[in-house]
Amino acid sequence: SQQGEEDPQALSIQEGENATMNCSYKTSINNLQWYRQNSGRGLVHLILIRSNEREKHSGRLRVTLDTSKKSSSLLITASRAADTASYFCATDHTGGFKTIFGAGTRLFVKA
Amino acid sequence: GAVVSQHPSRVICKSGTSVKIECRSLDFQATTMFWYRQFPKQSLMLMATSNEGSKATYEQGVEKDKFLINHASLTLSTLTVTSAHPEDSSFYICSARRSNTEAFFGQGTRLTVV
Repeated sequence: SQQGEEDPQALSIQEGENATMNCSYKTSINNLQWYRQNSGRGLVHLILIRSNEREKHSGRLRVTLDTSKKSSSLLITASRAADTASYFCATDHTGGFKTIFGAGTRLFVKA
Repeated sequence: GAVVSQHPSRVICKSGTSVKIECRSLDFQATTMFWYRQFPKQSLMLMATSNEGSKATYEQGVEKDKFLINHASLTLSTLTVTSAHPEDSSFYICSARRSNTEAFFGQGTRLTVV
């Protein structure tokens, strides 16, 4: 299978709560990226973390990377209704230039 | 970040016709471009990788004769869906990258075959 796994597949939370999404991948990577996609629209790049980094912050986003476990997490703090979207991790694998997407997490933030 | 332009953003075509989608890197030269397909409520599936001046490498299960990819220059790749059928209706997204940098994505093309 191309895809890495993401969990949960779907997440429903109240506005103001934090949302955590996890991503696992299969082979060694150069970097991992998180994207957001609103329904039927293009991808919005959120954050890139390189294989030699363990944590990265951008505004309300916090990404961690554990290369020993081949996993990453995306934390959105103080969520807003406007954060409702699908979130995908994507990995750039060593030995090639492919970017492979995880299955995605559909986040719904209730106002 | 770099800009990748994809055109058209939406297209409706009749069954049996062919449709061409363009992907351009506007401010950098892309040594490699990628084409993805996304069905509703699913993730992006890599269809093929194209390198400028050489044949595309297709992922398993993707029909080469159905989805023709041309990467004639360092700033342009095209995907042609030949003899389109309703089951080809999907969201197609391209990405482009320079050597050893992250990929930049186009905004996608929604293809509807009627």
